[in-house]
Amino acid sequence: DVKVTQSSRYLVKRTGEKVFLECVQDMDHENMFWYRQDPGLGLRLIYFSYDVKMKEKGDIPEGYSVSREKKERFSLILESASTNQTSMYLCASSLGQGDAGELFFGEGSRLTVL
Amino acid sequence: AQSVSQHNHHVILSEAASLELGCNYSYGGTVNLFWYVQYPGQHLQLLLKYFSGDPLVKGIKGFEAEFIKSKFSFNLRKPSVQWSDTAEYFCAVNAMDSSYKLIFGSGTRLLVRP
Repeated sequence: DVKVTQSSRYLVKRTGEKVFLECVQDMDHENMFWYRQDPGLGLRLIYFSYDVKMKEKGDIPEGYSVSREKKERFSLILESASTNQTSMYLCASSLGQGDAGELFFGEGSRLTVL
Repeated sequence: AQSVSQHNHHVILSEAASLELGCNYSYGGTVNLFWYVQYPGQHLQLLLKYFSGDPLVKGIKGFEAEFIKSKFSFNLRKPSVQWSDTAEYFCAVNAMDSSYKLIFGSGTRLLVRP
């Protein structure tokens, strides 16, 4: 089975802090994604990566950056956390060659910014 | 911009009732279509998918969905729901000219009463 592991299930941070969310997949997938999930809004794509060191903006990239130095690891960075970034963050990966394909999701990281 | 609409935000059914959840998307070209499910406290997982071929696709746990291209719809159905189907259901679309972007609907929360 594909396993997507997110480093932290729950985080509480203060406004202005730098936040790192780590994600690791163990199936040699090419594509990795970061979504945020908010009630009534579904999942919104923040960033995705289709190869090492490659990244593309999703629909809501403002206030976020990403890093993919190794194929299995995709990090989401909040340079200066704000209260409107309180959310559930979901990492996903897919094998997909040329398209998103079937996504495999991690358990999620619930971030609260005070 | 592409979008996915799920018309029912909350659905309450009794066990053995039939289920149909609506999903419409706005994109005129070739699409891949998905339904994902999130059981309480668990990660998102794939329920079923449509890439091409027979527009009636069957997924896990007795779910099926029908792709009607002329209506831009991909509705999810189950003839007889169980209490264990209580979950949140998300429709998702991958437009083939946006290759890596999987766009999700806002989700439908299903509560099945025993």
